[in-house]
Amino acid sequence: QKEVEQDPGPLSVPEGAIVSLNCTYSNSAFQYFMWYRQYSRKGPELLMYTYSSGNKEDGRFTAQVDKSSKYISLFIRDSQPSDSATYLCAMSRGDSNYQLIWGAGTKLIIKP
Amino acid sequence: DTAVSQTPKYLVTQMGNDKSIKCEQNLGHDTMYWYKQDSKKFLKIMFSYNNKELIINETVPNRFSPKSPDKAHLNLHINSLELGDSAVYFCASSWGQGGADTQYFGPGTRLTVL
Repeated sequence: QKEVEQDPGPLSVPEGAIVSLNCTYSNSAFQYFMWYRQYSRKGPELLMYTYSSGNKEDGRFTAQVDKSSKYISLFIRDSQPSDSATYLCAMSRGDSNYQLIWGAGTKLIIKP
Repeated sequence: DTAVSQTPKYLVTQMGNDKSIKCEQNLGHDTMYWYKQDSKKFLKIMFSYNNKELIINETVPNRFSPKSPDKAHLNLHINSLELGDSAVYFCASSWGQGGADTQYFGPGTRLTVL
């Protein structure tokens, strides 16, 4: 079993829809949770960063962490064609010398 | 001003050849990484250096050898290239080494082995 599970998709939704992207994990020691966005033929870039449990909002994006269920989500409101990309979750214990553990990425397509 | 740059962007080569990919960051970060991303978009860490010292060395064939001449540069040399080495290789950097810091990625090097 992988430490981080993420459905690779693709997930195709119409413009304006609310998008929900999710990851589950098995290591209860994870404390730092991130969502990276990767456009086609580009490197990943950090979109959202959350420490421990709770919600974080930034514009149309909301990141949620439920440590009791070992489940994290990224919500995108009023989705736009420019949101079409691969979204990768990543998480870490944060210990020195401990690496970031990545999900497989979900390909999101927003149809105009 | 490119924060993390990689050269070359594309690399097409024959099986058995030796090739190098270069990476430079101008962010003043202490830690640099090499990742391999396969066709299914899965990002796999290969190596990580902190202040020129190797701190992560995942299960990677010893045909892959990283080299960090200074903390702003991390190069990747690949010997005896195989078909399975075809992938996109990303360099990244961050302030710290614990996985809690934001990683900044380069544009990637698309390697095709024929």
